[in-house]
Amino acid sequence: TQLLEQSPQFLSIQEGENLTVYCNSSSVFSSLQWYRQEPGEGPVLLVTVVTGGEVKKLKRLTFQFGDARKDSSLHITAAQPGDTGLYLCAGPDNYGQNFVFGPGTRLSVLP
Amino acid sequence: EAEVAQSPRYKITEKSQAVAFWCDPISGHATLYWYRQILGQGPELLVQFQDESVVDDSQLPKDRFSAERLKGVDSTLKIQPAELGDSAMYLCASSLEWQGGYNEQFFGPGTRLTVL
Repeated sequence: TQLLEQSPQFLSIQEGENLTVYCNSSSVFSSLQWYRQEPGEGPVLLVTVVTGGEVKKLKRLTFQFGDARKDSSLHITAAQPGDTGLYLCAGPDNYGQNFVFGPGTRLSVLP
Repeated sequence: EAEVAQSPRYKITEKSQAVAFWCDPISGHATLYWYRQILGQGPELLVQFQDESVVDDSQLPKDRFSAERLKGVDSTLKIQPAELGDSAMYLCASSLEWQGGYNEQFFGPGTRLTVL
């Protein structure tokens, strides 16, 4: 089973600050996805990264897939309270049949 | 906007009782997933359907859990008997079809199960 680790586990910052959260594995992933989950709701897909070294931007969010496709990062610029939530990375397992999720980074942006 | 529907949103039951959760995926989505999410952890896949067929149920505790998608549309996940360790959020997701890692899964709001 391919495992995904995420760090930090918890992050609490002030509005306007920048932050980066990480998703790491000892295995190569063909692709990785990032989701955000708000309390009491299901996860919502933010982005899919496929190519090693790929960088994707979604407004204030920048996603990067490592060159070796074993890691990914999410950088948020000028965080806002609306960014508060659980950020999950996920990818297909070795057999490509189902997804494995990381444990998530719980972000709290204080006004 | 089309959404994945789940019911009930909350369920409290006593251990050894039976519980059932229902999911209605987005119309036209062939693939349906049931996940379990324990507080503080990421979702764990329990079962994946392609139309009415089970693609993967390797993580489903089959001694007490069952899932069906008889007509390839909506789905039911059942637990009998429930145990204290089953307390979790049960999420349903759907996607157009399985395309390896590239398909977008749309998640429902989940059912929060508490077993007393």
